Amino acid sequence: NAGVTQTPKFRVLKTGQSMTLLCAQDMNHEYMYWYRQDPGMGLRLIHYSVGEGTTAKGEVPDGYNVSRLKKQNFLLGLESAAPSQTSVYFCASTLLTRPSGGVFSTDTQYFGPGTRLTVL
Amino acid sequence: DAKTTQPPSMDCAEGRAANLPCNHSTISGNEYVYWYRQIHSQGPQYIIHGLKNNETNEMASLIITEDRKSSTLILPHATLRDTAVYYCIVRPLRGTYKYIFGTGTRLKVLA
Repeated sequence: NAGVTQTPKFRVLKTGQSMTLLCAQDMNHEYMYWYRQDPGMGLRLIHYSVGEGTTAKGEVPDGYNVSRLKKQNFLLGLESAAPSQTSVYFCASTLLTRPSGGVFSTDTQYFGPGTRLTVL
Repeated sequence: DAKTTQPPSMDCAEGRAANLPCNHSTISGNEYVYWYRQIHSQGPQYIIHGLKNNETNEMASLIITEDRKSSTLILPHATLRDTAVYYCIVRPLRGTYKYIFGTGTRLKVLA
Protein backbone atom coordinates (compact mmCIF):
# COMPACT_ATOMS: atom_id res chain seq x y z
CA ASN A 1 0.00 0.00 0.00
CA ALA A 2 1.23 3.48 -0.83
CA GLY A 3 -0.82 4.93 2.04
CA VAL A 4 -1.57 8.62 1.61
CA THR A 5 0.12 10.43 -1.26
CA GLN A 6 0.09 14.11 -2.17
CA THR A 7 0.73 15.88 -5.44
CA PRO A 8 2.68 18.09 -5.98
CA LYS A 9 5.39 18.14 -3.30
CA PHE A 10 6.37 21.75 -3.93
CA ARG A 11 4.77 24.65 -5.75
CA VAL A 12 5.37 28.37 -6.15
CA LEU A 13 2.45 30.55 -7.21
CA LYS A 14 1.99 34.21 -7.92
CA THR A 15 -0.76 36.12 -6.16
CA GLY A 16 -4.06 35.55 -7.93
CA GLN A 17 -3.12 32.28 -9.57
CA SER A 18 -5.12 29.14 -8.98
CA MET A 19 -4.10 25.57 -8.33
CA THR A 20 -5.34 22.23 -7.11
CA LEU A 21 -3.64 19.94 -4.63
CA LEU A 22 -4.39 16.25 -4.96
CA CYS A 23 -4.56 13.76 -2.11
CA ALA A 24 -4.95 10.05 -2.77
CA GLN A 25 -5.28 7.12 -0.36
CA ASP A 26 -5.44 3.41 -1.10
CA MET A 27 -6.65 2.23 2.31
CA ASN A 28 -10.39 2.52 1.56
CA HIS A 29 -10.78 5.14 4.32
CA GLU A 30 -14.03 7.02 4.56
CA TYR A 31 -12.79 10.21 6.20
CA MET A 32 -10.28 12.53 4.57
CA TYR A 33 -8.89 15.84 5.81
CA TRP A 34 -6.90 18.82 4.61
CA TYR A 35 -4.72 20.70 7.12
CA ARG A 36 -2.34 23.59 6.83
CA GLN A 37 0.72 24.12 8.99
CA ASP A 38 2.40 27.49 9.32
CA PRO A 39 5.95 27.83 10.68
CA GLY A 40 6.21 26.99 14.37
CA MET A 41 2.55 26.14 14.65
CA GLY A 42 0.42 23.06 14.87
CA LEU A 43 -1.92 21.80 12.17
CA ARG A 44 -5.17 23.58 11.47
CA LEU A 45 -8.08 21.87 9.75
CA ILE A 46 -9.20 23.47 6.48
CA HIS A 47 -11.88 21.09 5.18
CA TYR A 48 -12.79 17.49 5.64
CA SER A 49 -14.94 14.84 4.00
CA VAL A 50 -16.93 12.04 5.56
CA GLY A 51 -17.41 10.18 2.29
CA GLU A 52 -17.62 10.35 -1.46
CA GLY A 53 -19.56 13.38 -2.59
CA THR A 54 -19.60 15.09 0.82
CA THR A 55 -17.40 17.84 2.23
CA ALA A 56 -17.52 20.16 5.23
CA LYS A 57 -15.67 23.18 6.59
CA GLY A 58 -13.02 22.96 9.25
CA GLU A 59 -11.40 25.71 11.31
CA VAL A 60 -9.87 27.81 8.50
CA PRO A 61 -11.87 27.20 5.29
CA ASP A 62 -11.80 30.68 3.75
CA GLY A 63 -10.04 30.91 0.40
CA TYR A 64 -10.18 27.15 -0.23
CA ASN A 65 -12.57 24.78 -1.91
CA VAL A 66 -12.58 20.99 -1.90
CA SER A 67 -14.13 18.12 -3.78
CA ARG A 68 -14.39 14.38 -3.22
CA LEU A 69 -15.71 12.84 -6.39
CA LYS A 70 -14.06 9.49 -5.69
CA LYS A 71 -13.61 7.84 -2.31
CA GLN A 72 -9.85 7.59 -2.71
CA ASN A 73 -9.23 11.20 -3.78
CA PHE A 74 -9.64 14.52 -1.97
CA LEU A 75 -8.83 17.70 -3.88
CA LEU A 76 -7.99 21.08 -2.36
CA GLY A 77 -8.37 24.12 -4.59
CA LEU A 78 -7.11 27.65 -4.30
CA GLU A 79 -9.06 29.84 -6.69
CA SER A 80 -7.06 33.03 -6.21
CA ALA A 81 -3.90 32.44 -4.19
CA ALA A 82 -2.77 34.98 -1.60
CA PRO A 83 0.57 35.29 0.25
CA SER A 84 -1.27 34.38 3.48
CA GLN A 85 -1.81 30.92 2.00
CA THR A 86 1.91 30.21 1.97
CA SER A 87 2.10 27.11 4.11
CA VAL A 88 2.68 23.38 4.21
CA TYR A 89 -0.47 21.46 3.39
CA PHE A 90 -1.09 17.99 4.78
CA CYS A 91 -3.73 15.53 3.80
CA ALA A 92 -4.88 12.77 6.13
CA SER A 93 -7.35 9.92 6.09
CA THR A 94 -8.94 7.71 8.69
CA LEU A 95 -11.08 4.63 8.83
CA LEU A 96 -14.64 4.99 10.05
CA THR A 97 -16.08 2.23 12.13
CA ARG A 98 -19.64 1.90 13.29
CA PRO A 99 -20.31 -0.87 15.77
CA SER A 100 -23.75 -2.37 15.42
CA GLY A 101 -26.18 0.10 16.95
CA GLY A 102 -23.36 2.28 18.19
CA VAL A 103 -21.98 5.73 17.52
CA PHE A 104 -19.41 6.01 14.78
CA SER A 105 -15.77 5.86 15.71
CA THR A 106 -12.84 7.32 13.84
CA ASP A 107 -9.57 5.49 13.97
CA THR A 108 -6.09 6.96 13.98
CA GLN A 109 -5.17 9.36 11.21
CA TYR A 110 -2.69 8.58 8.45
CA PHE A 111 -0.93 11.58 6.98
CA GLY A 112 0.61 12.29 3.62
CA PRO A 113 4.10 13.77 3.19
CA GLY A 114 2.87 17.32 2.65
CA THR A 115 2.90 19.96 -0.08
CA ARG A 116 5.00 23.09 0.40
CA LEU A 117 3.23 26.01 -1.22
CA THR A 118 4.72 29.48 -1.58
CA VAL A 119 2.61 32.35 -2.85
CA LEU A 120 4.59 35.39 -3.98
CA ASP B 1 -12.54 19.06 23.19
CA ALA B 2 -10.27 19.37 26.20
CA LYS B 3 -7.26 21.64 25.93
CA THR B 4 -3.76 20.28 26.44
CA THR B 5 -0.60 21.94 27.73
CA GLN B 6 2.88 20.72 26.82
CA PRO B 7 6.35 22.15 27.41
CA PRO B 8 7.64 23.77 24.23
CA SER B 9 10.92 21.89 24.16
CA MET B 10 12.95 19.15 25.85
CA ASP B 11 16.34 17.53 25.44
CA CYS B 12 17.19 13.89 26.06
CA ALA B 13 20.44 11.96 25.86
CA GLU B 14 20.58 9.18 23.31
CA GLY B 15 19.84 5.81 24.87
CA ARG B 16 18.05 7.30 27.84
CA ALA B 17 14.30 7.35 28.39
CA ALA B 18 12.47 10.41 27.13
CA ASN B 19 9.52 11.40 29.29
CA LEU B 20 7.17 13.88 27.66
CA PRO B 21 4.48 15.36 29.90
CA CYS B 22 1.03 16.61 28.95
CA ASN B 23 -1.55 18.35 31.11
CA HIS B 24 -5.23 17.95 30.26
CA SER B 25 -7.00 19.03 33.43
CA THR B 26 -10.38 19.56 31.70
CA ILE B 27 -10.54 16.12 30.12
CA SER B 28 -13.98 14.52 29.98
CA GLY B 29 -14.85 10.96 30.86
CA ASN B 30 -15.24 9.87 27.24
CA GLU B 31 -12.08 11.54 25.94
CA TYR B 32 -8.97 9.62 25.02
CA VAL B 33 -5.39 10.83 25.08
CA TYR B 34 -3.62 10.48 21.74
CA TRP B 35 0.03 11.08 20.92
CA TYR B 36 1.40 11.86 17.47
CA ARG B 37 4.82 12.99 16.40
CA GLN B 38 6.11 14.97 13.44
CA ILE B 39 9.64 14.38 12.27
CA HIS B 40 11.27 17.22 10.40
CA SER B 41 8.14 18.63 8.70
CA GLN B 42 6.93 15.23 7.53
CA GLY B 43 3.29 14.32 8.06
CA PRO B 44 2.42 13.53 11.69
CA GLN B 45 2.68 9.89 12.73
CA TYR B 46 0.46 8.12 15.22
CA ILE B 47 2.25 6.80 18.32
CA ILE B 48 -0.23 5.61 20.91
CA HIS B 49 -3.53 6.38 22.62
CA GLY B 50 -5.30 5.46 25.85
CA LEU B 51 -8.29 6.15 28.07
CA LYS B 52 -7.30 5.50 31.67
CA ASN B 53 -5.08 2.48 31.81
CA ASN B 54 -1.42 2.59 30.95
CA GLU B 55 -0.69 1.50 27.40
CA THR B 56 2.41 0.16 25.69
CA ASN B 57 3.23 -0.65 22.12
CA GLU B 58 6.36 -1.14 20.07
CA MET B 59 7.01 2.59 19.91
CA ALA B 60 6.25 3.94 23.36
CA SER B 61 4.43 3.72 26.66
CA LEU B 62 1.64 5.99 27.83
CA ILE B 63 1.13 6.63 31.52
CA ILE B 64 -2.14 8.36 32.49
CA THR B 65 -2.61 9.58 36.06
CA GLU B 66 -5.44 8.16 38.08
CA ASP B 67 -7.40 11.42 37.92
CA ARG B 68 -6.67 11.54 34.16
CA LYS B 69 -5.64 15.18 34.36
CA SER B 70 -2.18 14.52 33.00
CA SER B 71 -0.21 11.92 31.09
CA THR B 72 3.35 11.07 30.13
CA LEU B 73 4.63 9.61 26.91
CA ILE B 74 7.71 7.51 27.47
CA LEU B 75 10.21 6.60 24.75
CA PRO B 76 12.21 3.97 26.61
CA HIS B 77 15.50 4.22 24.72
CA ALA B 78 15.56 7.44 22.72
CA THR B 79 17.53 7.50 19.48
CA LEU B 80 18.53 10.40 17.25
CA ARG B 81 15.67 9.44 14.94
CA ASP B 82 13.21 10.24 17.74
CA THR B 83 14.03 13.94 17.42
CA ALA B 84 10.64 15.40 16.51
CA VAL B 85 7.71 17.50 17.64
CA TYR B 86 5.37 15.46 19.83
CA TYR B 87 1.68 16.34 20.01
CA CYS B 88 -0.64 15.37 22.82
CA ILE B 89 -4.29 15.43 21.73
CA VAL B 90 -7.42 14.79 23.74
CA ARG B 91 -10.53 13.75 21.87
CA PRO B 92 -13.49 11.42 22.10
CA LEU B 93 -12.99 8.09 20.40
CA ARG B 94 -16.50 8.16 19.05
CA GLY B 95 -18.79 10.70 17.53
CA THR B 96 -16.26 13.20 16.24
CA TYR B 97 -13.95 13.69 13.31
CA LYS B 98 -11.75 16.33 14.90
CA TYR B 99 -8.13 16.29 15.96
CA ILE B 100 -6.98 19.57 17.54
CA PHE B 101 -3.22 19.86 17.18
CA GLY B 102 -1.50 22.34 19.50
CA THR B 103 2.12 23.42 19.16
CA GLY B 104 3.50 20.27 20.82
CA THR B 105 6.86 19.59 22.46
CA ARG B 106 10.00 19.74 20.37
CA LEU B 107 12.16 16.84 21.58
CA LYS B 108 15.81 16.92 20.71
CA VAL B 109 17.78 13.72 21.29
CA LEU B 110 21.43 14.47 21.87
CA ALA B 111 24.30 12.19 20.86
